[in-house]
Amino acid sequence: AQSVTQLGSHVSVSEGALVLLRCNYSSSVPPYLFWYVQYPNQGLQLLLKYTSAATLVKGINGFEAEFKKSETSFHLTKPSAHMSDAAEYFCAVGGYQKVTFGIGTKLQVIP
Amino acid sequence: NAGVMQNPRHLVRRRGQEARLRCSPMKGHSHVYWYRQLPEEGLKFMVYLQKENIIDESGMPKERFSAEFPKEGPSILRIQQVVRGDSAAYFCASSPPSTDPLGETQYFGPGTRLLVL
Repeated sequence: AQSVTQLGSHVSVSEGALVLLRCNYSSSVPPYLFWYVQYPNQGLQLLLKYTSAATLVKGINGFEAEFKKSETSFHLTKPSAHMSDAAEYFCAVGGYQKVTFGIGTKLQVIP
Repeated sequence: NAGVMQNPRHLVRRRGQEARLRCSPMKGHSHVYWYRQLPEEGLKFMVYLQKENIIDESGMPKERFSAEFPKEGPSILRIQQVVRGDSAAYFCASSPPSTDPLGETQYFGPGTRLLVL
């Protein structure tokens, strides 16, 4: 079985501050890990993914995530938040014939 | 290359009616996934299909829901005798042929928002 836990359903940061969105996964096979972003009334789009190459993965819009097997984590970070980063972010793990999504974290950016 | 298309974008049905949601995957994609999104509940997997085959339907309710992906034409998610609890956003995603589809990026459509009155 596999699962994803996103800590914090709502996160608020000030514009220019560090963004840290937490994701822990459970999978008994080597996982594929993804971060997707969803803007209001739109579908999800891929930010980045880990597929057993480099443990530090760089994505679009300045986001990156680090795969830490010992901590079963794949946290998403961005050094400096921008107003346009306000959206909902989903962590996902691939394996066992399907991709399992976390519950999502809504990021609010305060001017 | 057009993205994943879903129609209709909004669908209103009365209780007991049928809802048909359509998804046209990206050109060249042979894997289709359906998800349901409810407020504050995240994205729930429903079904994974390849052309003419259901690969995994473990997330589909046992009654009233069905999905198909025919050789020709879009994938269809069908909900019979809708109830108010079926109101949600339904998203379709597609991915290209692969020896390991679960490592492939899924490309999402804009969703169909179903409202059951």
